Amino acid sequence: KNEVEQSPQNLTAQEGEFITINCSYSVGISALHWLQQHPGGGIVSLFMLSSGKKKHGRLIATINIQEKHSSLHITASHPRDSAVYICAVIETGGGADGLTFGKGTHLIIQP
Amino acid sequence: DSGVTQTPKHLITATGQRVTLRCSPRSGDLSVYWYQQSLDQGLQFLIQYYNGEERAKGNILERFSAQQFPDLHSELNLSSLELGDSALYFCASSVGVWRANVLTFGAGSRLTVL
Repeated sequence: KNEVEQSPQNLTAQEGEFITINCSYSVGISALHWLQQHPGGGIVSLFMLSSGKKKHGRLIATINIQEKHSSLHITASHPRDSAVYICAVIETGGGADGLTFGKGTHLIIQP
Repeated sequence: DSGVTQTPKHLITATGQRVTLRCSPRSGDLSVYWYQQSLDQGLQFLIQYYNGEERAKGNILERFSAQQFPDLHSELNLSSLELGDSALYFCASSVGVWRANVLTFGAGSRLTVL
């Protein structure tokens, strides 16, 4: 079982819709990243959060540490939001400092 | 431009060969991370360096090695290449060594092993 699970795996929506992508994890974490990967392959870090909620433009990320769950919301979605969104966690305790990644959510926003 | 530079962007080679991927971190960042993204495994953490020293290891094969030089650029060496090594290799950098740093990713190096 993957330590980081994302849902849905694929999502197609119409322009303007409110989008929610979910991430659940089974390990203790010190922080969680939301990443965006465009078709060209480049990865951009959208948010890093360890508690509460962060907002940047039309993007909102929330995390509930007790429930081991995070969500990424996109308001007023636009075709340029089409990308793969990846949740990644930094585990607490021993082990590597690198990230453990979810499989990603492939989002397509149709005009 | 994220400030993290990776070269080459694309590389095609044959099984059994050796290649070197290069990463220059964002100015001021001391930590460099290497990640592999393959179709079947997704993104995986390989290794991290901080200010020239190896900091943490992930799922890095023994055929792979890396180092960070005094000018903070890093190289990932992949040897005895196999078909399954075909993947996108990303480098990321951050300011410090502690957990939960903000990461800046490079554009990636796409390796194809034929």
